[in-house]
Amino acid sequence: EVQLVQSGAEVKKPGESLRISCKGSGYSFTSYWISWVRQMPGKGLEWMGRIDPSDSYTNYSPSFQGHVTISADKSISTAYLQWSSLKASDTAMYYCATEIAAAGNDAFDIWGQGTMVTVSS
Amino acid sequence: SSELTQDPAVSVALGQTVRITCQGDSLRSYYASWYQQKPGQAPVLVIYGKNNRPSGIPDRFSGSSSGNTASLTITGAQAEDEADYYCNSRDSSGNHLYVFGTGTKVTVL
Repeated sequence: EVQLVQSGAEVKKPGESLRISCKGSGYSFTSYWISWVRQMPGKGLEWMGRIDPSDSYTNYSPSFQGHVTISADKSISTAYLQWSSLKASDTAMYYCATEIAAAGNDAFDIWGQGTMVTVSS
Repeated sequence: SSELTQDPAVSVALGQTVRITCQGDSLRSYYASWYQQKPGQAPVLVIYGKNNRPSGIPDRFSGSSSGNTASLTITGAQAEDEADYYCNSRDSSGNHLYVFGTGTKVTVL
């Protein structure tokens, strides 16, 4: 079964660092880009950026460039989203997503279950 | 990056047809994909490309595009179609970035 499995919910304080993960299975991890998507409480979806797991080349939305870092470890089929200094405004659900059957069509047909990040003092 | 604009909310009677639109300059060059999201769940792809449905998506969902507007049509809406719907496309920067629409809440009456 093709799937993306994300790490569990996190509760952090402002200023702390964090890395969340997204592990792919059931497909060739290095063949498909992985994107990260933010959803703040009660709000819409926001595309943050993506990574090519084969060479770790990244693209970032201008809204998120410099605020987060996307990385990948192809040896363990895992992509990461990390913050060096969290803010309360980073509180959100974060999804990873990729395109497998829809490859080449700019569409995300496989999604992780989401990781809730709560930042509060 | 470009923006994709959707109506915030639409309603449809059970069994009737509803069309959800998505407007943006980048849609003149790129197809939109459409996602259904129910409360507490991850988004699900329902339409991509010119008018393609992933396996398992009912054929009452269809997509179309004209000029700067993409549309998702639900023909014969069912109670289980009540959800938030988001369009997505590349932005117009040429840097292969993506952008989601503002989202539409569909209520089935």
